[in-house]
Amino acid sequence: DSGVTQTPKHLITATGQRVTLRCSPRSGDLSVYWYQQSLDQGLQFLIQYYNGEERAKGNILERFSAQQFPDLHSELNLSSLELGDSALYFCASSVGYSGGGPGSEQFFGPGTRLTVL
Amino acid sequence: QQPVQSPQAVILREGEDAVINCSSSKALYSVHWYRQKHGEAPVFLMILLKGGEQKGHDKISASFNEKKQQSSLYLTASQLSYSGTYFCGTVSGGSNYKLTFGKGTLLTVNP
Repeated sequence: DSGVTQTPKHLITATGQRVTLRCSPRSGDLSVYWYQQSLDQGLQFLIQYYNGEERAKGNILERFSAQQFPDLHSELNLSSLELGDSALYFCASSVGYSGGGPGSEQFFGPGTRLTVL
Repeated sequence: QQPVQSPQAVILREGEDAVINCSSSKALYSVHWYRQKHGEAPVFLMILLKGGEQKGHDKISASFNEKKQQSSLYLTASQLSYSGTYFCGTVSGGSNYKLTFGKGTLLTVNP
């Protein structure tokens, strides 16, 4: 158990719908990262927040948005869902955001499996 | 840009050694290694920084060749528990420290 929690574990929805994925980081971690994992694309970095502020953006679609709240939990909002959005969505957390050295190792939550029908 | 991992897959017998390579076309700030077992979340193994080598586990070590922008993960005397997909993640200078993962190397250790 990494200490990172994600809800829900599974989500089944229809095309065109909107969903919200939730993540609570490990106690003491200030950075939260979101990743999308699909069979053909591997682990794709979406976005990172540090202490409530956006720090880095990856290949995140305009239909997707995220935020980190004052209590440091984070939500990833996916809207106008398409079949291709079906994937495993991971949240990870770390103490810092430096990208290297102590404090930058990321701890992953169990993931949310999203299925769009 | 996504780092390239090789091989894509490897099958070992318990006790054998393996090397997984990760290379990038960009100048790297750090290389991160993770292992993911089927149906589970990735688990951190180690980080290598420019100018250093960090050993994260007892029989798993790694190196970082800054000139070639390559990292190698060494698994010695493999155990059944080593099975899984190994991902390298790279952080490039000027990338705002975002981690870009390779497509992974599937390692299978058989008895």
